[in-house]
Amino acid sequence: QKEVEQDPGPLSVPEGAIVSLNCTYSNSAFQYFMWYRQYSRKGPELLMYTYSSGNKEDGRFTAQVDKSSKYISLFIRDSQPSDSATYLCAMTTNSGYSTLTFGKGTMLLVSP
Amino acid sequence: KAGVTQTPRYLIKTRGQQVTLSCSPISGHRSVSWYQQTPGQGLQFLFEYFSETQRNKGNFPGRFSGRQFSNSRSEMNVSTLELGDSALYLCASAASGGTDTQYFGPGTRLTVL
Repeated sequence: QKEVEQDPGPLSVPEGAIVSLNCTYSNSAFQYFMWYRQYSRKGPELLMYTYSSGNKEDGRFTAQVDKSSKYISLFIRDSQPSDSATYLCAMTTNSGYSTLTFGKGTMLLVSP
Repeated sequence: KAGVTQTPRYLIKTRGQQVTLSCSPISGHRSVSWYQQTPGQGLQFLFEYFSETQRNKGNFPGRFSGRQFSNSRSEMNVSTLELGDSALYLCASAASGGTDTQYFGPGTRLTVL
């Protein structure tokens, strides 16, 4: 079992839809959770950064962490064609020198 | 503030050759991490350097190596290239590493023929 599982998609939605992206993980030591967005031929860019369980909202994006279920989600409201990209979840432990463990990414396609 | 830069952006090599990739982190950042990204395996951690010292290492063979200079710039080297080394190599910088936010460069696309 991989440490972080993420459905590769593609996930195709019409413009304006609410998008739900998810990851599950197996390492209960993970404490910090991130979502990165990666456009084609670009490096990943950080979208959301959360610590432990709970919700965090930033504009159209909401990140949720449920540590009891080892499940994290990213919701995108009012999705736009410009949101079409690959979304990667990443996580790390509370150790000072820990490294990021990534999911394989979900490709999202938002059609006009 | 300038972002993370990586050179070259694209590279084509043949099996058995070696290659050196370069990464310049964000000014003031002292941690540089390298990742390999392939369609099959996703993003996999190679190693992290902090203040010229390798602080963490992923599960890659010894053909993959790196170093960091006093100005925090980093290079990674892959010797005796194999077809399976074809990938996007990403560099990420962070202020101190660990739980600090990592900022990624655009990557170097390596193709091994």
